[in-house]
Amino acid sequence: DAGITQSPRHKVTETGTPVTLRCHQTENHRYMYWYRQDPGHGLRLIHYSYGVKDTDKGEVSDGYSVSRSKTEDFLLTLESATSSQTSVYFCAISDSGGLTDTQYFGPGTRLTVL
Amino acid sequence: AQKITQTQPGMFVQEKEAVTLDCTYDTSDQSYGLFWYKQPSSGEMIFLIYQGSYDEQNATEGRYSLNFQKARKSANLVISASQLGDSAMYFCAMREGGFGNEKLTFGTGTRLTIIP
Repeated sequence: DAGITQSPRHKVTETGTPVTLRCHQTENHRYMYWYRQDPGHGLRLIHYSYGVKDTDKGEVSDGYSVSRSKTEDFLLTLESATSSQTSVYFCAISDSGGLTDTQYFGPGTRLTVL
Repeated sequence: AQKITQTQPGMFVQEKEAVTLDCTYDTSDQSYGLFWYKQPSSGEMIFLIYQGSYDEQNATEGRYSLNFQKARKSANLVISASQLGDSAMYFCAMREGGFGNEKLTFGTGTRLTIIP
């Protein structure tokens, strides 16, 4: 199993509060990704990183920011959480980012915004 | 238009039978990759199998095989001799070639239930 951990695993918060989710990897992979999973939508990419301090937006990036100050850590921040951000968040990693590169997923974080 | 379509929301299959999970895709790229992931009730996403658009042979990984029909743009997952532990959600995903190809586009999934 790829060495990926996410913290926290579960979080309940209130609308308007900031939330930070952490993804930590021990594989020294270059690429890291944040996805959200919602019923009827599969998984959708929020942001990804292709190196330390190098990040880019995915298809559902509004309301989210990310940071990567070390190879092993990728943080996802909801500056002011809304109920529409209630979801399961998955971190993924991959080695090269190329077409054949497989993404391996962390265990997920279930976030509930009340 | 949906890039990945999984038309079977749920399937029930008898244990030890083979099962085919359907996936069709839509892309104008010549270079792309197709992936299948399994998500058991515990929630983790498990990579199963990969097929590249230029691969001439269908991919196989143990009991999993991918029935790749490029002209029909389909990439069906075949599980042989199903087991109770195969009960899970299954997602088909695609990665397209070209700039910014880091994204996996997922289908909405098929829930497979294996009946003893």
